[in-house]
Amino acid sequence: EADIYQTPRYLVIGTGKKITLECSQTMGHDKMYWYQQDPGMELHLIHYSYGVNSTEKGDLSSESTVSRIRTEHFPLTLESARPSHTSQYLCASSVALATSYNEQFFGPGTRLTVL
Amino acid sequence: KNQVEQSPQSLIILEGKNCTLQCNYTVSPFSNLRWYKQDTGRGPVSLTIMTFSENTKSNGRYTATLDADTKQSSLHITASQLSDSASYICVVKDRGSTLGRLYFGRGTQLTVWP
Repeated sequence: EADIYQTPRYLVIGTGKKITLECSQTMGHDKMYWYQQDPGMELHLIHYSYGVNSTEKGDLSSESTVSRIRTEHFPLTLESARPSHTSQYLCASSVALATSYNEQFFGPGTRLTVL
Repeated sequence: KNQVEQSPQSLIILEGKNCTLQCNYTVSPFSNLRWYKQDTGRGPVSLTIMTFSENTKSNGRYTATLDADTKQSSLHITASQLSDSASYICVVKDRGSTLGRLYFGRGTQLTVWP
């Protein structure tokens, strides 16, 4: 099992609240990713990072922001949550070496519900 | 339009039976194709990976095939067990970008009944 952790696992909050989803990995991976997944739908990349102080937006537009101050930590923040943000958020990481076999290791996910 | 299409969307089989899941993709240029297993409430876990030159790869009771010419892959599960109940996701990686972008299918939801 991959050493990548997400907290909280489940979160139910009211509209307008600020939330931070935590993601940490102990594998020393440089690359980290955030995906959004709705039931029965494919994963969509919303943010990624090549390493410390590097963050980029993914393919799916998201109102969330991320930071990468430490290699092992890649938190995602929503300044003002809305019901449209209700989804599953998956964090992943991989080594930086650009080989064909680089596997992304996924955390267990955070199921967010905004009322 | 999603560049990775999976079928069937869902499948129910009895314990001990075999099944085959399908994946068609249009991603180009192609780097590799992985099958992931995602248990309910968990993150995906890689089962197999195949590159352009590989046409079959096994991992225990899981056997994946790849036809790079027709851009099709299949995942065959033999002697299914209750623990095989999960979503199986086909993921194709392109080699046209530094990031090595991944394209995800929507998954096949497999349910194994006793």
